Amino acid sequence: AQSVTQPDIHITVSEGASLELRCNYSYGATPYLFWYVQSPGQGLQLLLKYFSGDTLVQGIKGFEAEFKRSQSSFNLRKPSVHWSDAAEYFCAVGAPDRDDKIIFGKGTRLHILP
Amino acid sequence: NAGVTQTPKFQVLKTGQSMTLQCAQDMNHNSMYWYRQDPGMGLRLIYYSASEGTTDKGEVPNGYNVSRLNKREFSLRLESAAPSQTSVYFCASKGQGTDTQYFGPGTRLTVL
Repeated sequence: AQSVTQPDIHITVSEGASLELRCNYSYGATPYLFWYVQSPGQGLQLLLKYFSGDTLVQGIKGFEAEFKRSQSSFNLRKPSVHWSDAAEYFCAVGAPDRDDKIIFGKGTRLHILP
Repeated sequence: NAGVTQTPKFQVLKTGQSMTLQCAQDMNHNSMYWYRQDPGMGLRLIYYSASEGTTDKGEVPNGYNVSRLNKREFSLRLESAAPSQTSVYFCASKGQGTDTQYFGPGTRLTVL
């Protein structure tokens, strides 16, 4: 079965600094990969997704992620964070050749320093 | 389109009571999911249904039952609620293949 790990529970960056959130997955073949964001008290919003093709994926709000098969990773990046980016971020993995089950990581809470 | 709707939005139960959380989608999606969200635990999959008439266990199915009533509706039942089931419950749906999961607004459940 697929699994996903987000090694960092909390990350703090200064406004305007660059950001990288880590995500590692476990799956025997090429998985479906997702990043979601959740603001306090809100639902989940899809930032971006990878199914196949170009390994660098562009998403909304200036985010991007890169699929690296050799490292089993799908890290989320943003060149310059804004205070409004403070939220919790979830990586998720799906198993396209098995079933429709989609598993989420435990999340990384992003704090922004003014 | 309303997307994915969930009822109720809030619920307080006493230990041992039963209740059913309702979820419906109007996007003609095949797959539907129930997750629970707890602090520090992310979203954990309770049950999912890859198509009408089928259901499968996820990561944390104990204490729950589900029914895929038709293509639109996927309900989650707590037969005898326990304080450990205090959580926020999210329903989601997805079309076939590479489609994206769409989430409902969530149900905040407290079991006293």
